[in-house]
Amino acid sequence: RKEVEQDPGPFNVPEGATVAFNCTYSNSASQSFFWYRQDCRKEPKLLMSVYSSGNEDGRFTAQLNRASQYISLLIRDSKLSDSATYLCVVREPGGGADGLTFGKGTHLIIQP
Amino acid sequence: EPEVTQTPSHQVTQMGQEVILRCVPISNHLYFYWYRQILGQKVEFLVSFYNNEISEKSEIFDDQFSVERPDGSNFTLKIRSTKLEDSAMYFCASRGQGPGANVLTFGAGSRLTVL
Repeated sequence: RKEVEQDPGPFNVPEGATVAFNCTYSNSASQSFFWYRQDCRKEPKLLMSVYSSGNEDGRFTAQLNRASQYISLLIRDSKLSDSATYLCVVREPGGGADGLTFGKGTHLIIQP
Repeated sequence: EPEVTQTPSHQVTQMGQEVILRCVPISNHLYFYWYRQILGQKVEFLVSFYNNEISEKSEIFDDQFSVERPDGSNFTLKIRSTKLEDSAMYFCASRGQGPGANVLTFGAGSRLTVL
């Protein structure tokens, strides 16, 4: 059974702080990893793909640890607009699960 | 920026009625998906569609569900006889092919309320 596990939070963080959260996945064959952001009652939107070597996009850094089967997201200098639910998303390689498996999401609240 | 459009944005129906949710994927995309999200729960995969046929479906996607691409632009999800537990947000998504096509673009969703 495919599982993607996240701490649901909420994480209450003051504006300007750094926050990080992890996600674990159960299928060691998974090869595609993503962080999506979902605002309340809206659709998921891609925040960033996660590459094996880790990658950074502005204030956001994603890391992949294959040995321990987790990915992480770090947000630096957090803004009020970062308040959202962050979804860890995994896809197995082609020929298996074509659809994405979502975690339940980590709810982040940035406080002024 | 190209987008996936979904209609209706909200539909209220009586239990046992048939519902059709419509999606227009991004025009040059080849892979199409339906997901659902029950309020307060995670996004769940329902079905994927490629080359005019279902490529994969989850255990949620039982005989009450069907998908169709009737005219080369629309991609529809039909629920034959709705149940209370079908109340959810239904998201359509699509992706292309080739480099950088690993990413799904989601529509804004259709909220289904079954009474």
